[in-house]
Amino acid sequence: AQTVTQSQPEMSVQEAETVTLSCTYDTSESDYYLFWYKQPPSRQMILVIRQEAYKQQNATENRFSVNFQKAAKSFSLKISDSQLGDAAMYFCARRSNAGKSTFGDGTTLTVKP
Amino acid sequence: EAQVTQNPRYLITVTGKKLTVTCSQNMNHEYMSWYRQDPGLGLRQIYYSMNVEVTDKGDVPEGYKVSRKEKRNFPLILESPSPNQTSLYFCASSSGQRTNQPQHFGDGTRLSIL
Repeated sequence: AQTVTQSQPEMSVQEAETVTLSCTYDTSESDYYLFWYKQPPSRQMILVIRQEAYKQQNATENRFSVNFQKAAKSFSLKISDSQLGDAAMYFCARRSNAGKSTFGDGTTLTVKP
Repeated sequence: EAQVTQNPRYLITVTGKKLTVTCSQNMNHEYMSWYRQDPGLGLRQIYYSMNVEVTDKGDVPEGYKVSRKEKRNFPLILESPSPNQTSLYFCASSSGQRTNQPQHFGDGTRLSIL
C-alpha cells in the first residue's frame, strides 16, 4: 500500500513565528498530486495548498509555502507569521492520476499567544 | 452556494440494520469520494468515482457499497453495519477528470453502530 507519513503528531509555535510540518510519502508513480488540508475543531476539511509532482517550483499561498523534494519524496509545509487561527490538525495527502487518495495521520498544531 | 451536502449528520443505529448516507454536490463535479476518519488516524478512502457509472475501491472498501447513477449524488451504503464501522465519514468532490483539483468536503457524518 502506498503510504503518507507525518512524523510529528504534535507541533507548537509562538504567534508570529514560523513552523514547518513534515510529510513524506511512498509512491511508484511519476505523476501525482500533493495537498495540505487543515481541519479545525469544527471538523471541516479546508485546502491549504497543493503541488503537482511534475512542477519543480514550490507552491506558495500567502503565508503558506511548501518544500517539495521529489527525489526524497518529501513535502513539508511552512507556515510563516503564525496566527491563532492557524491552530488545527493538518493533513498531508497524495492523490494519484487515477483518483486514489492517501492521507497522513495528521499533525496537531498549537499556536501560543 | 457551492457545497457538498451529507445526510444525516449524526446517526446511532444497531448492528445489521441497513443504512444509507447520502452525498450530493451542486458544483457539477466529475470526481466524488468517500472517506472515514477514526481517532488518531487520517482520512482513509473507502470508494471513489471518476464519473457517472464509474466507481473504484479505495483502501478500506470492505463492508461498504456505493453507486453513481447521477453526477451529483454518491450515496454510501452499509448493507449490514457492524460496530467497527463506527466512525466519522466525509464525502468529497472535485472538478475535472484530472485529479490535481482540490477536493471540496462535506461537513461529515458521525455514525455510531451499537
